[in-house]
Amino acid sequence: SQTIHQWPATLVQPVGSPLSLECTVEGTSNPNLYWYRQAAGRGLQLLFYSVGIGQISSEVPQNLSASRPQDRQFILSSKKLLLSDSGFYLCAWSVNGQAAYGYTFGSGTRLTVV
Amino acid sequence: AQSVTQLGSHVSVSEGALVLLRCNYSSSVPPYLFWYVQYPNQGLQLLLKYTTGATLVKGINGFEAEFKKSETSFHLTKPSAHMSDAAEYFCAAPYSSASKIIFGSGTRLSIRP
Repeated sequence: SQTIHQWPATLVQPVGSPLSLECTVEGTSNPNLYWYRQAAGRGLQLLFYSVGIGQISSEVPQNLSASRPQDRQFILSSKKLLLSDSGFYLCAWSVNGQAAYGYTFGSGTRLTVV
Repeated sequence: AQSVTQLGSHVSVSEGALVLLRCNYSSSVPPYLFWYVQYPNQGLQLLLKYTTGATLVKGINGFEAEFKKSETSFHLTKPSAHMSDAAEYFCAAPYSSASKIIFGSGTRLSIRP
């Protein structure tokens, strides 16, 4: 069966420090991968998605970047965190090109920038 | 433009009462619709989905939703609310490209004892 792993679960980082959040999927190949952010009391904001290795689409210009170095690995990064980067970050995967299957989400990372 | 609209950012019902969470979608989205539930500090979990076939879809935890094309709606219901149903609920539909899903803004469900 397919599983999605996201870590760390919580993270407290000072302003100006770098960030690296990792997400991996098991039990499937060539998945679509997604990074979402939830700010406090707000909905889901799609940050990046990827349909293949090295293919990254950015939805919102910001202080973050994403990379997909391997088929089932998706990394969210920042060189210098801002206070506004605080939030709950969710990784998700879907079957490539199959909207009917929906998404499967990881358990999320709570990032607090101080 | 493609969109998913959830009416009511916060719904409060008494334990044992009917739960009704509303979702409307733009007619331009493909005919796949989803409801997700999010418990505090957790990821989203698929509650139910409509793809094809029967328009009344049953999901986990006693929830169900009915796809009404004429009303472009996909409302979520549960006959009797339980305290454990307190969570955030998201309605969603795919973009036409099938690579992305549009999420509604979410409805927070509170249950009164």
